[in-house]
Amino acid sequence: ETGVTQSPTHLIKTRGQQVTLRCSSQSGHNTVSWYQQALGQGPQFIFQYYREEENGRGNFPPRFSGLQFPNYSSELNVNALELDDSALYLCASSHRLAAESNEQFFGPGTRLTVL
Amino acid sequence: LAKTTQPISMDSYEGQEVNITCSHNNIATNDYITWYQQFPSQGPRFIIQGYKTKVTNEVASLFIPADRKSSTLSLPRVSLSDTAVYYCLVGPANTGFQKLVFGTGTRLLVSP
Repeated sequence: ETGVTQSPTHLIKTRGQQVTLRCSSQSGHNTVSWYQQALGQGPQFIFQYYREEENGRGNFPPRFSGLQFPNYSSELNVNALELDDSALYLCASSHRLAAESNEQFFGPGTRLTVL
Repeated sequence: LAKTTQPISMDSYEGQEVNITCSHNNIATNDYITWYQQFPSQGPRFIIQGYKTKVTNEVASLFIPADRKSSTLSLPRVSLSDTAVYYCLVGPANTGFQKLVFGTGTRLLVSP
């Protein structure tokens, strides 16, 4: 069984640029969530996708957007990058119908540095 | 959203039992308690989840008193590889993860 994978591992961008991060969910999972983790902090929920639709969003501006594809892979897009966007971006997959479970499977993350 | 409070850090030695307590005074009736572990430069990993009393798996035990206003994650006989950050999350199950908030966690350091 393949776990959650993310690409790229590291990325350096400059302020104002746009970035796309990619995630491949664990086999059989139909829900993906994206998190931002600043240094020394816990992960912060950005949004969640289920069946290609966003169905939950944290306190992040619209320049953070996402996509989920029929094969349950997903993308996180960030426009107009700001210095504070520098962080580890994590995706996590889970099965929507996993009864009474808050178990998510996280990928290793993409380290984004904005200069 | 249920607010959680955990110690910022804890120290232990190999072979000891470690208990990390999480306070969640405003837990709701339909909330579960979930713990995650995170190693440096890796994504968090689910450890255990419970609703009441005691839950045990191959990795840890979770103790929840009757009033559910706190919970204790117990790691038996820790090793150096248990050095990590441990997060306590409180929220409903399977309703979307936006209601599960990762705080700053408890940084556990296990020494030889």
